Amino acid sequence: GQQVMQIPQYQHVQEGEDFTTYCNSSTTLSNIQWYKQRPGGHPVFLIQLVKSGEVKKQKRLTFQFGEAKKNSSLHITATQTTDVGTYFCAGLDSGDMRFGAGTRLTVKP
Amino acid sequence: DAGVIQSPRHEVTEMGQEVTLRCKPISGHDYLFWYRQTMMRGLELLIYFNNNVPIDDSGMPEDRFSAKMPNASFSTLKIQPSEPRDSAVYFCASSPRQGRTYEQYFGPGTRLTVT
Repeated sequence: GQQVMQIPQYQHVQEGEDFTTYCNSSTTLSNIQWYKQRPGGHPVFLIQLVKSGEVKKQKRLTFQFGEAKKNSSLHITATQTTDVGTYFCAGLDSGDMRFGAGTRLTVKP
Repeated sequence: DAGVIQSPRHEVTEMGQEVTLRCKPISGHDYLFWYRQTMMRGLELLIYFNNNVPIDDSGMPEDRFSAKMPNASFSTLKIQPSEPRDSAVYFCASSPRQGRTYEQYFGPGTRLTVT
C-alpha cells in the first residue's frame, strides 16, 4: 500500500537559519497537504498542492510538489521561534490519505 | 463555527475499564476521521467515515476498538477493555472533501492515560 516517508525526523536550528523537510511517497499522489502541530496542540492545515511541479508560498514558507507527484518539500526561510513544532505531510492516493511521521523543528533563539 | 469538538479533553482510567471518546465534526463536513498519536508510532489513522458510513477501518488495532457515527453531527470511539498500551492522544478530524479540497480540520484531541 501507499507509504509516505518524511525526513528528517528532527531538526534543530539557530534562529535565522533556514529549514527544509522532505516528503516522499511510494506511489503517485493526487495531492499533498502540509500540516503544522505546535507542542501540545493539534495538527493545523497549512496548504494543499495538486499540480505537478506546483510551488506555493506563504510568507517565509515555500511548498513544492515534485514533477512526478511523488515527493514534496517545505522550506522555511529565516526561521523564528514561532516556527517550532512538528510539520507533517499527508499524501492522497486513490482516496486514501496517509500522513508522514513528521519533522520536529526546534529553534534556538 | 466552533470547529471540531472533542470530549473529554483528558481521560485517566484503569486497565480493563471501558473508555468512550466523543467527537462533533464541523457542520456540513461529509468525512470524519479518528487518529491516534503516540511518540513511538506517530499519527495513525484508525478509521474514517463518509456520510456516517465507515469506509476504512483497517487501522483499528483490534476488536477492543469500535467506532460509530449515528448521525452527521456525532461520532464515538470506544475502547473496551482498555489497556495501558492504549495510552495516547486521540484526534478526531473532519473534512468537506468538496471538489478538490481535502483539508482536514482536527479537534483538540483527547489525551487518554490507562493505568
